[in-house]
Amino acid sequence: ETGVTQTPRHLVMGMTNKKSLKCEQHLGHNAMYWYKQSAKKPLELMFVYNFKEQTENNSVPSRFSPECPNSSHLFLHLHTLQPEDSALYLCASSQVQSSYNSPLHFGNGTRLTVT
Amino acid sequence: GQNIDQPTEMTATEGAIVQINCTYQTSGFNGLFWYQQHAGEAPTFLSYNVLDGLEEKGRFSSFLSRSKGYSYLLLKELQMKDSASYLCAVRTDKLIFGTGTRLQVFP
Repeated sequence: ETGVTQTPRHLVMGMTNKKSLKCEQHLGHNAMYWYKQSAKKPLELMFVYNFKEQTENNSVPSRFSPECPNSSHLFLHLHTLQPEDSALYLCASSQVQSSYNSPLHFGNGTRLTVT
Repeated sequence: GQNIDQPTEMTATEGAIVQINCTYQTSGFNGLFWYQQHAGEAPTFLSYNVLDGLEEKGRFSSFLSRSKGYSYLLLKELQMKDSASYLCAVRTDKLIFGTGTRLQVFP
């Protein structure tokens, strides 16, 4: 149990589908993140939220749309994805992003396959 | 640019010692993290170094040399459960990850 819960664990969707990934953290943190993990590539930061406000969008295509209704919940809405978007999507949380030594706590991820 | 290099794969024997190296070239430095990630699971925090030297935590130790842009993670008394990927990450104004080193421990 990492304190960060992601659902679903696995998702298969067609290119015309719309789906959402959900993340919930039970650690009292105030920063939340979406990362993409593809085979043989470094973890890629997608979005950052501090105190529910989006502070970073790392040039992510608009077919990925994040939502952060409160400090404990984070969503990633997906629509008209491409096969190259297939990857492991990891959610993470931490104390305020400006604390340099504050480690990220990751969820187990959603394994997404786009067909 | 930002660049973090780690070996892709390493193998070792149960009970042995293994050193996983990480070199980095980044614009800015506010510390270096090591994470462990078992297949299909979340990366978990192992260590943080911001000053030069060795930090020891049980069987795991992490070393940093800022002048050389170099860190290593040392795993002692290896166990089968240590088979995992080990991710090096440098904090600049954001956290930048390397590709990870997949370690396989054999009996």
